[in-house]
Amino acid sequence: GNSVTQMEGPVTLSEEAFLTINCTYTATGYPSLFWYVQYPGEGLQLLLKATKADDKGSNKGFEATYRKETTSFHLEKGSVQVSDSAVYFCALLKTSYDKVIFGPGTSLSVIP
Amino acid sequence: DAGITQSPRHKVTETGTPVTLRCHQTENHRYMYWYRQDPGHGLRLIHYSYGVKDTDKGEVSDGYSVSRSKTEDFLLTLESATSSQTSVYFCAISESLGAGNTIYFGEGSWLTVV
Repeated sequence: GNSVTQMEGPVTLSEEAFLTINCTYTATGYPSLFWYVQYPGEGLQLLLKATKADDKGSNKGFEATYRKETTSFHLEKGSVQVSDSAVYFCALLKTSYDKVIFGPGTSLSVIP
Repeated sequence: DAGITQSPRHKVTETGTPVTLRCHQTENHRYMYWYRQDPGHGLRLIHYSYGVKDTDKGEVSDGYSVSRSKTEDFLLTLESATSSQTSVYFCAISESLGAGNTIYFGEGSWLTVV
């Protein structure tokens, strides 16, 4: 079946460090891929998305590239800030499938 | 931000009592969803709707029912709340299905069953 795997963390980084959160997926065909972010006490916000192979989604300094050959969609940011502390969810939506599938989430803490 | 309002945002209720959570959207999106979020389980789909009076079950639908009498409102009912239903509930909406579509979330409803 379709699934999303991501590193669960928690991940703790110092301010201005480089961030990578790994995400891999299992799905047939060509799903759309997403990263959502959840700040404490809030709902999920769409961070970025990619709809086809080799697409790069980007927003707020975060980037992720849709790699079909490795079935991955790793999230990266060159220099994290304390305000980036949140839980990050990788997700997929298949063309012919009607429900978004989420990974378990990765908790990120950025310390000054 | 997508126009999604959940109510109540916080509720404490007793075991065995009925509870209804409301999701209201101003986007006129066709699809609406209810998820629950629990530590160690991430987000799990409870029920979803693909139009007025058209609903279907998700992966954790036992103990829950839903109704959608208007495009803008999607109600989640716990007929007889149990402690295992203590959770954070998120409503979500999407305009359509398929590649390129995006799902938007409300801010959540924190439910505690004592």
